[in-house]
Amino acid sequence: SYELTQPPSVSVSPGQTASITCSGDKLGNKYTCWYQHKPGQSPVLVIYQDNRRPSGIPERFSGSSSGNTATLTISGTQAMDEADYYCQAWDSSTAVFGGGTRLTVL
Amino acid sequence: QVQLQQSGPGLVKPSQTLSLTCAISGDSVSSNSASWNWIRQSPSRGLEWLGRTYRRSKWYNDYAHSRININADTSKNQFSLQLSSVTPEDTAVYYCARVGIGAGDGFDIWGQGTLVTVSS
Repeated sequence: SYELTQPPSVSVSPGQTASITCSGDKLGNKYTCWYQHKPGQSPVLVIYQDNRRPSGIPERFSGSSSGNTATLTISGTQAMDEADYYCQAWDSSTAVFGGGTRLTVL
Repeated sequence: QVQLQQSGPGLVKPSQTLSLTCAISGDSVSSNSASWNWIRQSPSRGLEWLGRTYRRSKWYNDYAHSRININADTSKNQFSLQLSSVTPEDTAVYYCARVGIGAGDGFDIWGQGTLVTVSS
């Protein structure tokens, strides 16, 4: 079965840039989506089709994908961005999520 | 706007069947431009996709494994999840979610989540 691998944790200082990676076999040939998940809330889609932002998502969230790796970048990270982030792609007719990355804003 | 409202029990005994329902407002379970999904989240497994139902010329279903069944009820505009033979490892927060049919569309609408505990 297809697997997506994320680092368990990433730390960033307020105002700096955070990068979260997601690795999978030939992931660049698929579309990657990214979700923000805060405790007690439902996940929120922050990036779809590799690099598109849904309406209402701040411009500081961006995405890219190439080769075997997709990357979520948060520019000018704010305290409110502290959350778990999950990548997701479709493999045939199955949705696959990465294991999640805990973003800590120190 | 589109909303998903979940309902169902929060406690299920081992070996029994977990059943949850997701009522749709602002969209149709019969839509040709969306699919209707169940996803769960646990500390040990993160987000895990369970399956989906959708209608094109007919109804289709895709499942992550054989214990799962998902049905659509067009008269009530809702869809449901059944997970059979549950064990404590099925304890999780369960979400319903919508995804569009466009390539690369994400799960853009989520239900509020239901914590289901499997315990005797």
